[in-house]
Amino acid sequence: EVRLVQSGAEVKKPGESLKISCKGSGNSLTSNWIGWVRQMPGKGLEWMGIIYTGDSETRYSPSFQGQVTISADKSISTAYLQWSSLKASDTGIYYCARHDIKSVTPMADLWGQGTLVTVSS
Amino acid sequence: QSVLTQPPSVSGAPGQRVTISCTGSSSNIGAGFDVHWYQILPETAPKLLIFDNNNRPSGVPDRFSGSKSGTSASLAITGLQAEDEADYYCQSSDSSPSGSVIFGGGTKLTVL
Repeated sequence: EVRLVQSGAEVKKPGESLKISCKGSGNSLTSNWIGWVRQMPGKGLEWMGIIYTGDSETRYSPSFQGQVTISADKSISTAYLQWSSLKASDTGIYYCARHDIKSVTPMADLWGQGTLVTVSS
Repeated sequence: QSVLTQPPSVSGAPGQRVTISCTGSSSNIGAGFDVHWYQILPETAPKLLIFDNNNRPSGVPDRFSGSKSGTSASLAITGLQAEDEADYYCQSSDSSPSGSVIFGGGTKLTVL
């Protein structure tokens, strides 16, 4: 069974950098679209962007363009989400999800367990 | 403010039928983009519940069904069970900007 396993919870201060990861079990992310979704405390899901692990083609939601960087390392079947300077408003749960983009509307058919990021001074 | 509008909450007694609406516009659902639904049980990751408007992934009970008409979509749950208590989100795409992925604001289902 394929699983997406995310890195553990993080507590950071404003201004600090952070990189969280999402690894596919059994090297299962060599050629997949992996997206990141944010859920702020008490709020709904927000789609951040997506990366094709085969060649690292990346697409960002306009709301997150320039705010985060999505990357991938095909050799270790891992996708990443990183911030260069965190803000308190970045606090939330971040999910990675495998996306199927063959249909008209991309869908997330497999999700990681989520990574809680807390940014507080 | 989400582009797709869902009721913040719905409720029903065990065994009853509930529906959750997802209202969009001519630039997303009405433009022909499909709708997917996700279920988030307490303390668990989201799970794909319905894809392409009315299809269930393997393992999802047929108590869950989806439909789409015009600029809206709906998720129906029949034979409500206590374990259905969760948050439900619809998802589609929008043509502005092209191909952007959008979620509804989410609906909390309470089983009375």
